[in-house]
Amino acid sequence: DIQMTQSPSTLSGSQGDRVTVTCRASQSIGSSLAWYQRKPGKAPKILIYVASALESGVPSRFSGSGSGTEFTLTISSLQPDDFATYYCQQYYSYPYTFGQGTKLDIK
Amino acid sequence: QVQLVESGGGVVQPGRSLRLSCAASGFTFSTYGMHWVRQAPGKGLEWVAVIWSDGSKKDHADSVKGRFTISRDNSKNTLYLQMNSLRVEDTAVYICARDRGAGAGFDPWGLGTLVTVSS
Repeated sequence: DIQMTQSPSTLSGSQGDRVTVTCRASQSIGSSLAWYQRKPGKAPKILIYVASALESGVPSRFSGSGSGTEFTLTISSLQPDDFATYYCQQYYSYPYTFGQGTKLDIK
Repeated sequence: QVQLVESGGGVVQPGRSLRLSCAASGFTFSTYGMHWVRQAPGKGLEWVAVIWSDGSKKDHADSVKGRFTISRDNSKNTLYLQMNSLRVEDTAVYICARDRGAGAGFDPWGLGTLVTVSS
């Protein structure tokens, strides 16, 4: 199985900050990676797919990059609505696997 | 609008069975692969199972293989998860999600249904 390792587990930020979350795959997954935002009581929401494609309707302050085994999610200027937990997911091969999550909270 | 609504969760004793449903609307259900994902209390997301659009292929996570079975009824626009021999560690919110295909990830997701396995 492909292991996905996210870092950091927790990230504190203030409105306007630039933050980056990293996701590493245990083997090459090409660009078969998505990023999701999870808020309590809400359905997970896709932000990025194929590593760098921005989902329609997602603000342009979100961006994704990387390929192979190392990937990043960047929020260029934190907004109040961005405080949530973020997950990467590989869909290169089954079983599809998620990172353990990065909780972004208010500093 | 495109929507997924899960049902069937509840409290069940270890060793018992439960069947979850996921009702789809707003899209042509029979043309999409579908997944179940779960989230245990205080834990992250865990992929559980997938079924191809026509039901011809399925796969399950090792943690549920032999106990859980994913299925679908395209005439009813409904996805199912039959859960047998439930364990305490199966306690989680179970969420269904549509696979958009072509590497486009999962969207939409439902809100989930809570399964609690406890004696």
